[in-house]
Amino acid sequence: DTEVTQTPKHLVMGMTNKKSLKCEQHMGHRAMYWYKQKAKKPPELMFVYSYEKLSINESVPSRFSPECPNSSLLNLHLHALQPEDSALYLCASSQWDRETQYFGPGTRLLVL
Amino acid sequence: EDKVVQSPLSLVVHEGDTVTLNCSYEVTNFRSLLWYKQEKKAPTFLFMLTSSGIEKKSGRLSSILDKKELFSILNITATQTGDSAVYLCAVNSGGSNYKLTFGKGTLLTVNP
Repeated sequence: DTEVTQTPKHLVMGMTNKKSLKCEQHMGHRAMYWYKQKAKKPPELMFVYSYEKLSINESVPSRFSPECPNSSLLNLHLHALQPEDSALYLCASSQWDRETQYFGPGTRLLVL
Repeated sequence: EDKVVQSPLSLVVHEGDTVTLNCSYEVTNFRSLLWYKQEKKAPTFLFMLTSSGIEKKSGRLSSILDKKELFSILNITATQTGDSAVYLCAVNSGGSNYKLTFGKGTLLTVNP
């Protein structure tokens, strides 16, 4: 089973809203990732968690706040986003000693 | 800065054709190269390559890595319309965290 699930599939929010994206995996992976993907561009890494600790923050604005409540869950809290933050947000996970990352289906976010 | 370059950026072929997609890279501390297929949503893992000259094969898809010349190719034989997708090449540059650097992708369109 190489499934990573994400909810919601689609999200429309205003610039003053607060919302959260959720990601879950039950593969026992200890590394989890958030990526942002704009249309016709490759995924861009935002955050990496390893063993539930934040290990990489790719200079992401503070209006994006990641959280890893346990080894299976990864959240991305959104607050005061801008229209240019509209994108597909992908979650991925991997074994800590394996490089292959498995991606979830993504959340397509539209900020109005 | 790590760099991954894919070519061509787009390709249109007819069903039954054979295609070769290219990926060249310049990264520090190379660990592995991965190929993904992305249709409308999440990238789907195809291959991970770590050693030069060893072909990985899955059905009509195959890939090989040349670590001396710093490139990889992805071959698809007897293409089908279902092969239409963006093919992403990513390189893992190691270190203490598994960060993937993606190329811009090759958009493959297979016409009936």
